[in-house]
Amino acid sequence: GQNIDQPTEMTATEGAIVQINCTYQTSGFNGLFWYQQHAGEAPTFLSYNVLDGLEEKGRFSSFLSRSKGYSYLLLKELQMKDSASYLCAVRDSDYQLIWGAGTKLIIKP
Amino acid sequence: IAGITQAPTSQILAAGRRMTLRCTQDMRHNAMYWYRQDLGLGLRLIHYSNTAGTTGKGEVPDGYSVSRANTDDFPLTLASAVPSQTSVYFCASSDLAGGGYNEQFFGPGTRLTVL
Repeated sequence: GQNIDQPTEMTATEGAIVQINCTYQTSGFNGLFWYQQHAGEAPTFLSYNVLDGLEEKGRFSSFLSRSKGYSYLLLKELQMKDSASYLCAVRDSDYQLIWGAGTKLIIKP
Repeated sequence: IAGITQAPTSQILAAGRRMTLRCTQDMRHNAMYWYRQDLGLGLRLIHYSNTAGTTGKGEVPDGYSVSRANTDDFPLTLASAVPSQTSVYFCASSDLAGGGYNEQFFGPGTRLTVL
C-alpha cells in the first residue's frame, strides 16, 4: 500500500529552527510537495522537490532523499504566524497526490 | 481574480438528502480534484478530472459523483447523504499542461455535516 508518515504534532519556540520529517512508501515517485494549512483554511503550496537535495526558499527549505524515501521541511527564524499544519504529499505513478495526515506545529513565545 | 471558489461555505444536511457542492476556477487549469479532509487523516481524493469531459475515481469515490462539462466547473454530488460523509471538502485545480511543478491550488473548502 501507499503510506506517508509525519509526526502528528511538534512544538517550537519563536525565533528558533524546526525540522519536520516525512517518510513515504508509494507506487512510483513524481515529486514531493509541502503545503501549509492554517486552522480552518485551505492548504497552500510551500515547496516542491523531485531531485535529491535541498531547495531553499527564504526561511523555508525542503530536502529530499529518494533512495531513503525521506524528506524534511526546515523552518528558520520561526514566527508566531508559522503556527499551522504542514502537509507532505507525494505524486505517485498515476500522477495523483498521496497525502500525509499533517504535522501540527505549535509556536510558543 | 478569485482563483477557486466553493459553495456553500458550510451546510447541515439530513441523512438521505441529495446535495451538490459547487466548485469553479478561473485559472483555466485543465485538471480539477475533490478531496475530503477528516481529523487525523490526510486529504483523501474522491474524484478527479484531468480535462473537461473526463473524470476518474480516487481513493474514496463511493457515494459521490462528479461531472466536468466545461473547464471551469467541477460539481460534486452526494446522491443520498450519510453521516460518514460529514467532513470538510476541498476542491483543487492544477495546470497539468504547463511546465513547472503542476502544484495544486485549493478552494476555501465546504464544511458539511450530515445528521
